[in-house]
Amino acid sequence: NAGVTQTPKFQVLKTGQSMTLQCAQDMNHEYMSWYRQDPGMGLRLIHYSVGAGITDQGEVPNGYNVSRSTTEDFPLRLLSAAPSQTSVYFCASSPAGTLNEQFFGPGTRLTVL
Amino acid sequence: TQLLEQSPQFLSIQEGENLTVYCNSSSVFSSLQWYRQEPGEGPVLLVTVVTGGEVKKLKRLTFQFGDARKDSSLHITAAQPGDTGLYLCAGALVDSGNTPLVFGKGTRLSVIA
Repeated sequence: NAGVTQTPKFQVLKTGQSMTLQCAQDMNHEYMSWYRQDPGMGLRLIHYSVGAGITDQGEVPNGYNVSRSTTEDFPLRLLSAAPSQTSVYFCASSPAGTLNEQFFGPGTRLTVL
Repeated sequence: TQLLEQSPQFLSIQEGENLTVYCNSSSVFSSLQWYRQEPGEGPVLLVTVVTGGEVKKLKRLTFQFGDARKDSSLHITAAQPGDTGLYLCAGALVDSGNTPLVFGKGTRLSVIA
């Protein structure tokens, strides 16, 4: 099993550009989440999904869209990149239930100029 | 408002010393998890505690869940350079349903050889 994979690993965008961060898992997990990690801020939840076709907003959803058409994939779309979106983005998956371990991907480091 | 407060924020110690880091809240959690994150990687689960007063040991690491399930501590005995990393606590709020875990901001530990 590859676990949770994220692409790209690094990305530089100009203000106003759009892009999609890819996330895939091969563990048949129901839950998937997107977090951003900024210095001194910890992990902040952007969006999450409890199953295919179901998504919900987290703590910091503005400027981001998600969809969950399959169990395996959970892409994160930046509609119009802003410098405030410069961050490290982590995708995570877990079996149903909050007692279960979250498996994190290796992260995408995004810089918006 | 940060639901989970971790302290200290930074800790630098010599190899062989003991240390304790804390995760505190005014809210009650049905479970609490500790993760370790190394530079350039995603967090990895160390332990989950579920019962108030529970103590779990993982080699030189001892985890405790408070009796009221509002706080937790991580004690490391005879720290080694390999223990260096960011330690994150994460909790599942009581009656949180399908909401993902709440994360603290982390304690960044540096163990100097």
